Amino acid sequence: EADIYQTPRYLVIGTGKKITLECSQTMGHDKMYWYQQDPGMELHLIHYSYGVNSTEKGDLSSESTVSRIRTEHFPLTLESARPSHTSQYLCASSLASSGANVLTFGAGSRLTVL
Amino acid sequence: QQQVKQSPQSLIVQKGGIPIINCAYENTAFDYFPWYQQFPGKGPALLIAIRPDVSEKKEGRFTISFNKSAKQFSLHIMDSQPGDSATYFCAASMYSSNTGKLIFGQGTTLQVKP
Repeated sequence: EADIYQTPRYLVIGTGKKITLECSQTMGHDKMYWYQQDPGMELHLIHYSYGVNSTEKGDLSSESTVSRIRTEHFPLTLESARPSHTSQYLCASSLASSGANVLTFGAGSRLTVL
Repeated sequence: QQQVKQSPQSLIVQKGGIPIINCAYENTAFDYFPWYQQFPGKGPALLIAIRPDVSEKKEGRFTISFNKSAKQFSLHIMDSQPGDSATYFCAASMYSSNTGKLIFGQGTTLQVKP
């Protein structure tokens, strides 16, 4: 019973297409994150948000963009997909308070760009 | 710059064995060290976490050992089972900061043979 939902789970598209990966959470968490997970399984933070209208770039440079208009929703958009964007994208959320920063992850969106 | 280094990259043990996964960190400001477990097709989930005020924490068959002076911590899985086969990530962050981000290690893929 996931409290954070990602759609689509799998997406295969052609080069140049615009795509949006959806992420929604029902826990009222203020913090949300997007991680890119490469074939070697390493997790790279590409975007994060500490609340509505707050977005920051992560440690790994990414051509994607994000928005945070509602607390529960944190979509990621690629304006023009390329084969180099092929990867698994994981969305996560946590409470905005000091202390243990426990992340709840979604199941991921696996993107393949042909 | 990789702030959390994890080894080994992969590990194969027989059922009942005790796999050990090691992590080393660089930033002495880190004071919260969780381990996440990821099964295929799922997002990572918090397994166990430790803070530097203790040298060991045990939850069921999972134990974290922490060495503050060496800036190292490790995960031990006692009496490992085939169901423990998964990818394990160590991570680090600053407990007292409500903007602290989790920095993940590179991940270790564990296979427990029946």
